[in-house]
Amino acid sequence: NAGVTQTPKFQVLKTGQSMTLQCAQDMNHEYMSWYRQDPGMGLRLIHYSVGAGITDQGEVPNGYNVSRSTTEDFPLRLLSAAPSQTSVYFCASRSGAPGETQYFGPGTRLLVL
Amino acid sequence: EDKVVQSPLSLVVHEGDTVTLNCSYEVTNFRSLLWYKQEKKAPTFLFMLTSSGIEKKSGRLSSILDKKELSSILNITATQTGDSAIYLCALQGGSEKLVFGKGTKLTVNP
Repeated sequence: NAGVTQTPKFQVLKTGQSMTLQCAQDMNHEYMSWYRQDPGMGLRLIHYSVGAGITDQGEVPNGYNVSRSTTEDFPLRLLSAAPSQTSVYFCASRSGAPGETQYFGPGTRLLVL
Repeated sequence: EDKVVQSPLSLVVHEGDTVTLNCSYEVTNFRSLLWYKQEKKAPTFLFMLTSSGIEKKSGRLSSILDKKELSSILNITATQTGDSAIYLCALQGGSEKLVFGKGTKLTVNP
C-alpha cells in the first residue's frame, strides 16, 4: 500500500493562475479531506468527502473546488490563486470503521507570488 | 460550531522533564478526540480517545479524556530531544469532519 499520496510536493504560482493539487489513496477509504496549515493556525479543513460523488465544505472553502469521481482520488482545485493561499496543504483519508484513525499524505507546499 | 483549544501554544523544557499538554473542546455530539504528533512533515497518529477516564499509553506518552470537564491531557515523561514537535488535538463531533486545535509546539533542549 502506498497510503495517501500527494503531488506535487512543492509548487510556485503567480497570482491568478490555476492549478490542481492531486491526492490519491489506495486503502479503499470512504472519507477524504483537504486541510491547509499556516503557522500558528493548526490544520483547517477546506473540503471533505464522505464517498464518491459526495463533497462538502469545511471551515475555509472559499477559493477552492473539489470533486470526488472515484473512491481513490480527491483533487483540490485553485481556480485563481491568491497570495493568501500560500500554505502547506495536506490530504487525509480514513475508512468508515469505528475507531479508525485518519491517515495524512506528505503535504504540498504552495507559494503564490 | 465544534471548537478545540490547546494550551499552552508553546513550551520549552529540558531533557528529562515531564510535560502535560492540554486540549479543551466544545462539541455538539462527541464521537472521539485524537492526538497527533507533527515533526517536519505530515501529522502522525498518537491516540484516539472515546471513553472518559480510560488512560491510553504508549511508551513515555499517555493520554486521558475527561468528558465532564470537556478536556483531554497528553503527558510525556522523561522527555527527549526527539519529542520536539507540534502536538495536535483533533475532535470528531456529529459530522464526519475532524476539527483541529492550533497545536502546542514543544521544544526539548538537551
